[in-house]
Amino acid sequence: SYVLTQPPSVSVAPGKTASISCGGSSIGSKSVHWYQQKPGQAPVLVIYYDSDRPSGVPERFSGSNSENTATLTISRVEAGDEADYYCQVWDGGSAHWVFGGGTKLTVL
Amino acid sequence: QVQLVESGGGVVQPGRSLGLSCAASGFSFSNYAMHWVRQAPGKGLEWVALISYDGNTIYYADSVRGRFTISRDNSRNTLFLQMSSLRADDTAVYYCAKDVRSVAGTGGFPYWGQGTLVTVSS
Repeated sequence: SYVLTQPPSVSVAPGKTASISCGGSSIGSKSVHWYQQKPGQAPVLVIYYDSDRPSGVPERFSGSNSENTATLTISRVEAGDEADYYCQVWDGGSAHWVFGGGTKLTVL
Repeated sequence: QVQLVESGGGVVQPGRSLGLSCAASGFSFSNYAMHWVRQAPGKGLEWVALISYDGNTIYYADSVRGRFTISRDNSRNTLFLQMSSLRADDTAVYYCAKDVRSVAGTGGFPYWGQGTLVTVSS
């Protein structure tokens, strides 16, 4: 089955840039979606189709996807960005949706 | 606005059954695929099942196939998950989520319910 690998945690100072990786075999050939989840809340889609932002998501959130790594980048990080972030892809071979293990973003 | 409201969670003994519902509003329910996603306490997200807009295409995660059944009633704008032979590791918050497409594909899940907690314990 297809596996997505994320770092368990990323720390960043306010105002700096955070990058969260999502590794998978030839993930560049798949569409990657990213979710933000704050404690006690449902996940929120922040990036879809690798790099598109839903309405209401700040431009500070961006995404890229190439070869074996997709990346969520958050510029000018704010305290309110502290959350868990999950990447997601559709694995057509197994007809399964797959989530990465999640990355806890800590704002120092 | 899109609303998804799950219900039916609770405490259930191992080996027993439980049914969840998800009431949808604010969009044309019959035009979209729907999903169940779960999250064990302190753990990450796990996709559980998908049903196409017309109910004709259904996929399950390996961990629940043969025990869980996803279904929908488009006349009542409601999604269901019937869970049987429940185990302790099925303990989780169960979310329903709306797909961007009518069938299985590469779009994400732009809308989620608030979830309902299922606890499997004796």
